[in-house]
Amino acid sequence: AQSVAQPEDQVNVAEGNPLTVKCTYSVSGNPYLFWYVQYPNRGLQFLLKYITGDNLVKGSYGFEAEFNKSQTSFHLKKPSALVSDSALYFCAVRDDVDSSYKLIFGSGTRLLVRP
Amino acid sequence: GAVVSQHPSRVICKSGTSVKIECRSLDFQATTMFWYRQFPKQSLMLMATSNEGSKATYEQGVEKDKFLINHASLTLSTLTVTSAHPEDSSFYICSARDHSSYNEQFFGPGTRLTVL
Repeated sequence: AQSVAQPEDQVNVAEGNPLTVKCTYSVSGNPYLFWYVQYPNRGLQFLLKYITGDNLVKGSYGFEAEFNKSQTSFHLKKPSALVSDSALYFCAVRDDVDSSYKLIFGSGTRLLVRP
Repeated sequence: GAVVSQHPSRVICKSGTSVKIECRSLDFQATTMFWYRQFPKQSLMLMATSNEGSKATYEQGVEKDKFLINHASLTLSTLTVTSAHPEDSSFYICSARDHSSYNEQFFGPGTRLTVL
C-alpha cells in the first residue's frame, strides 16, 4: 500500500537560514513524488515534482528536493528562507503501478519563518 | 501550464439544501478528475474518483448518495452535496488528470462550503 509520512507537524526557521521539510514514502512500484504549498483558504500550489531522471529537482520560488531511493525520502529544501514562505506544505506520492492514478498525501507540515 | 477552475469559490447554504460545485479543466481534456475534502489544519482526503462517461469510484466511508458526482464531459465534473448539514462544512478541492503530462494531477483553487 502507498503511504507518505511527514514527521514534523511544524518547522520553525529564522529568515535567511536554510530550511528542510521532511518526507518519506512507501510504494510498491516506482514513485512519482510531488510537493505542494497551501496558503490559508487557498487551494494547492504546485512546487516541484520527481518523475524520473536527476535526483535533485528544482522547483518554484527557489525550492528544491532530492529524491533518495535508498532512504525512500524526498525532503524539501531551500537555501535561504523568506517570511513569505510561511505556509502549509504537503508531500504526495503516486505509485506507477497503481492504475487509478491516485495521489496519496502526507499529513502536512506547517512552516513558520520568523523575521 | 494546465489550469483547473472551481466554481463557486465560496458558498453558504441552509441545512437541508443541496449544493453543486463545478470543476473544469480549462486547457486540457481530463478523463479522470478527483474530489478531495479538507478539514481545518488537516490533510486532503480523497473522496472519489470521477471518470468521464461512467460512474464515480468512491473511497471507503464516503456516502455516494450524499455526494453525487457527475463527469459528463472531458472538461467538467460536478460534485453535489445533497441535503447538506453543518458537518458537511469543509473545503472541497478537485483535481484533473492530464494524460499528456505523466498523468499529473492539476488542482483547482478549492470551494469553501459553509452549512448553517
